[in-house]
Amino acid sequence: ETGVTQTPRHLVMGMTNKKSLKCEQHLGHNAMYWYKQSAKKPLELMFVYNFKEQTENNSVPSRFSPECPNSSHLFLHLHTLQPEDSALYLCASSQAGQANYGYTFGSGTRLTVV
Amino acid sequence: GDSVTQMEGPVTLSEEACLTINCTYTATGYPSLFWYVQYPGEGLQLLLKATKADDKGSNKGFEATYRKETTSFHLEKGSVQVSDSAVYFCALSGYAGGTSYGKLTFGQGTILTVHP
Repeated sequence: ETGVTQTPRHLVMGMTNKKSLKCEQHLGHNAMYWYKQSAKKPLELMFVYNFKEQTENNSVPSRFSPECPNSSHLFLHLHTLQPEDSALYLCASSQAGQANYGYTFGSGTRLTVV
Repeated sequence: GDSVTQMEGPVTLSEEACLTINCTYTATGYPSLFWYVQYPGEGLQLLLKATKADDKGSNKGFEATYRKETTSFHLEKGSVQVSDSAVYFCALSGYAGGTSYGKLTFGQGTILTVHP
């Protein structure tokens, strides 16, 4: 149990589907992050939320839509994805402004777009 | 901006061999430094960290020393096991002023495979 829970662990979706990834943390953190990890590529930071407000969007296509209703929950809404979006999506959390304590990561959602 | 450079992988070793994974960084001020490990099918886990120059982080037989003069944080283990097979990421958190530290910047990861 890492303290950050991601669901589902695996997801297969067609290019015309709409699905959502969920991330939940019970660590009292107030910053949350979405990362994309593709084979043979570095970790890509997608979005950053501090105190429920989005503070960073790294040129992510609009077919990825994040939502942070409170400091404990983070969603990634997916629609009309492409096969190249297949990857491991990782959620992480930390204390805002205190990344020197490190991040806590979830186990990820393995997404396959067919 | 901040950056982290790790040695290219993959690294393949026999059990009980010595391990060194090189990591160098570029950052202003006094960053905190980290090693994360990712086992197959899992997310990243914090392995060890160091917050100031000459600090040594250690965990599970791994260690790394914060070397400000060479801007390095190399990961070492004296005797690796098959269970150490994973991807290892070096990372830093840049100092942003006051008591604030910015988000983590990760290296590209190094794949380690240990054979029996």
